[in-house]
Amino acid sequence: GQQVMQIPQYQHVQEGEDFTTYCNSSTTLSNIQWYKQRPGGHPVFLIQLVKSGEVKKQKRLTFQFGEAKKNSSLHITATQTTDVGTYFCAGRNNAGNMLTFGGGTRLMVKP
Amino acid sequence: DGGITQSPKYLFRKEGQNVTLSCEQNLNHDAMYWYRQDPGQGLRLIYYSHIVNDFQKGDIAEGYSVSREKKESFPLTVTSAQKNPTAFYLCASSKPGRMNTEAFFGQGTRLTVV
Repeated sequence: GQQVMQIPQYQHVQEGEDFTTYCNSSTTLSNIQWYKQRPGGHPVFLIQLVKSGEVKKQKRLTFQFGEAKKNSSLHITATQTTDVGTYFCAGRNNAGNMLTFGGGTRLMVKP
Repeated sequence: DGGITQSPKYLFRKEGQNVTLSCEQNLNHDAMYWYRQDPGQGLRLIYYSHIVNDFQKGDIAEGYSVSREKKESFPLTVTSAQKNPTAFYLCASSKPGRMNTEAFFGQGTRLTVV
């Protein structure tokens, strides 16, 4: 079945440093989604990427979808303490009927 | 207000007891999912349903059961066969298809075995 791997599992950064999490799928995806889960909360949708090679930005967050539509990354520039949480990628298969989550990357930011 | 509601927020279960977690959505979504999250870990799929009266096992279905009698509702029963049920349970729903298919999550239920 479809598998989605995410690295790293944990990341500690100093406030102001950049952060990147990577997502790799075992199969080609129709789209990739990113979610953020604050400590004690539930995952909240951030963005969806659909096209091969697509790049989208949300303020300090940059999302990329690979050319082969099997990998993706989320980059945060100049992290802030409000960025703390776990970031999940989720890949939807080509048939559109399965959404598989990666294991998440837990970001901790030291002020 | 459209959304997805889980109840209760906290649940305590005695060993050997079955408990049922509620999940209701008024988003008119066909697809609904149950995930288990252990502390500091990712989301593991328990069961999913893409249509009323049909559901499929996920990666960790043993010790759990579900029903999908109505589009709006997807309750999860944690049975006594689940040996380590203490966890955070998340329900989600989404539209089917490839576009605009983000998952909406409920607030979660924290289940503790006492």
